Amino acid sequence: AQSVAQPEDQVNVAEGNPLTVKCTYSVSGNPYLFWYVQYPNRGLQFLLKYITGDNLVKGSYGFEAEFNKSQTSFHLKKPSALVSDSALYFCAVRDVEDSSYKLIFGSGTRLLVRP
Amino acid sequence: KAGVTQTPRYLIKTRGQQVTLSCSPISGHRSVSWYQQTPGQGLQFLFEYFSETQRNKGNFPGRFSGRQFSNSRSEMNVSTLELGDSALYLCASSLAFSIVEDTQYFGPGTRLTVL
Repeated sequence: AQSVAQPEDQVNVAEGNPLTVKCTYSVSGNPYLFWYVQYPNRGLQFLLKYITGDNLVKGSYGFEAEFNKSQTSFHLKKPSALVSDSALYFCAVRDVEDSSYKLIFGSGTRLLVRP
Repeated sequence: KAGVTQTPRYLIKTRGQQVTLSCSPISGHRSVSWYQQTPGQGLQFLFEYFSETQRNKGNFPGRFSGRQFSNSRSEMNVSTLELGDSALYLCASSLAFSIVEDTQYFGPGTRLTVL
């Protein structure tokens, strides 16, 4: 069965510092991985995805993610955090075993960027 | 291009009632998926529709049902509401071109409160 884990409930970082939000995955077959962000009282906004190719994926709002097959990780990163980046971040894997668009989500990590 | 729209945004119902939520996908998107988000269970897949057919269903009781119309718009229905059905219900749409490569784009959600 496909699954993702986000080991940190919350990440705290100062504005201007680099940030990392961690995600590890467990899949049978090729992993298709996604990052979404959720602001209060809003739906999920797509940030980036890894399907194949370069291990460093660039996405929206200056975010990027590094795919590491040997460590089964897909960590989200940003070189310089903004206060406005404070939100809830979800890692997800597509459940291709079901031949559908179903996404399996991690538990979410709350990012708090302090001024 | 307009994003995924969901109506209503907020609903308050009492136990035993039923409710219908509506989702309009991004223009040209043919697949619609529904997710339930709660603080305790996180984001869970409800079902997915493509070409008016349910393609996949999550582990929810039969009280949860849905359908898709010929214009790709979708509705989900919950009958005999229980307190535990209080949640944010998210709809997501995809092009339905490639299960591997397509991205799901989410609507703002419908916040259902059951009293």
